[in-house]
Amino acid sequence: NAGVTQTPKFQVLKTGQSMTLQCAQDMNHNSMYWYRQDPGMGLRLIYYSASEGTTDKGEVPNGYNVSRLNKREFSLRLESAAPSQTSVYFCASTRWSNEAFFGQGTRLTVV
Amino acid sequence: AQSVTQLDSQVPVFEEAPVELRCNYSSSVSVYLFWYVQYPNQGLQLLLKYLSGSTLVESINGFEAEFNKSQTSFHLRKPSVHISDTAEYFCAVSGETSGSRLTFGEGTQLTVNP
Repeated sequence: NAGVTQTPKFQVLKTGQSMTLQCAQDMNHNSMYWYRQDPGMGLRLIYYSASEGTTDKGEVPNGYNVSRLNKREFSLRLESAAPSQTSVYFCASTRWSNEAFFGQGTRLTVV
Repeated sequence: AQSVTQLDSQVPVFEEAPVELRCNYSSSVSVYLFWYVQYPNQGLQLLLKYLSGSTLVESINGFEAEFNKSQTSFHLRKPSVHISDTAEYFCAVSGETSGSRLTFGEGTQLTVNP
């Protein structure tokens, strides 16, 4: 039982490069989320998808795009990476009770 | 809209001492409440949750939290902590509707010293 799987685990980008963070869950959850975690700021919501076919902006969506490819997969794209996007990114999915299950995170450094 | 405030960013305690991590929330609708724990270089794991029923909820490793609707609080307590409890703890809130946005507090770093 894999739960929530994120790839890659680590990534270094140069300013201006693009990349996609992948997330997949095998728990048949409807809702999926992308958060970023920065020291002293907790988890901030970037985008979420309450159900397949819908996406909504969270607190800090600027510079990011998402795709809910199907019920299992929810990807996060950085079109033109900036140093301010250096962070740890977490994907999560939630069951009916909104209890979240998290991936192991992607540590992204933009130089 | 909803928000969560964790009142202490850092809580240092000695081993076997009691601890309380404070969490207050605001919401215009009825809520579900959660505490998550994060060990270094790992993702978050659910520690305990309040959905309905008894306002006192417990985890398998001795933590408990009490939902206080009048004070809009969900403080986390443990009567005797261990070194292994050292971690960051996050309080979170969502509406009761499935798919409601889940909002996290800024986290409390609990450090247990020998």
